[in-house]
Amino acid sequence: GAGVSQTPSNKVTEKGKYVELRCDPISGHTALYWYRQSLGQGPEFLIYFQGTGAADDSGLPNDRFFAVRPEGSVSTLKIQRTERGDSAVYLCASKWDLNTEAFFGQGTRLTVV
Amino acid sequence: AQKVTQAQTEISVVEKEDVTLDCVYETRDTTYYLFWYKQPPSGELVFLIRRNSFDEQNEISGRYSWNFQKSTSSFNFTITASQVVDSAVYFCALRENRDDKIIFGKGTRLHILP
Repeated sequence: GAGVSQTPSNKVTEKGKYVELRCDPISGHTALYWYRQSLGQGPEFLIYFQGTGAADDSGLPNDRFFAVRPEGSVSTLKIQRTERGDSAVYLCASKWDLNTEAFFGQGTRLTVV
Repeated sequence: AQKVTQAQTEISVVEKEDVTLDCVYETRDTTYYLFWYKQPPSGELVFLIRRNSFDEQNEISGRYSWNFQKSTSSFNFTITASQVVDSAVYFCALRENRDDKIIFGKGTRLHILP
């Protein structure tokens, strides 16, 4: 596809359930980011991949959050035992390398009820 | 620590007026990058500009212009002759050279009234 694709666009889940959010980056982009955006706030960094490895996961809030990128392309953000406070828009971005701009997807809106 | 402050939470102007969005940043790095992104109601973040810390030259792109001043740690964004389509949330952001995460401000919601 032409841009970063995120699925699903909306996800409603019950408290305590497990969810997976998917990101398809722009083809050929080696760097991939996950951000979380709460209502009225700016995007908050979660994790950054360079290729298959997580280069920086310092933004993951706790061990319920985990992300993978096994083949260096598609990435999945996994949230265990969801809590109402996890409700937010989760944004994915990708870019060619360190010195280029990041392109963002439209996000997945997660609602935990 | 790196930080981006956008003091204006919300601004409303009448179409065709000029408007300036303020951005102040904090960093201990001498090499860093500053960005502006636009977030329309659709939710996607749209890249507008990137500026590195060694280039203080102001930039103009159509109705958009940016004023980077290291002396005051500011990177302000001006829209000239605003249009209704400019209505969106605008984010200023910073990336230090030591790592690759972009730190965003809280954004300024801009309403352009017809």
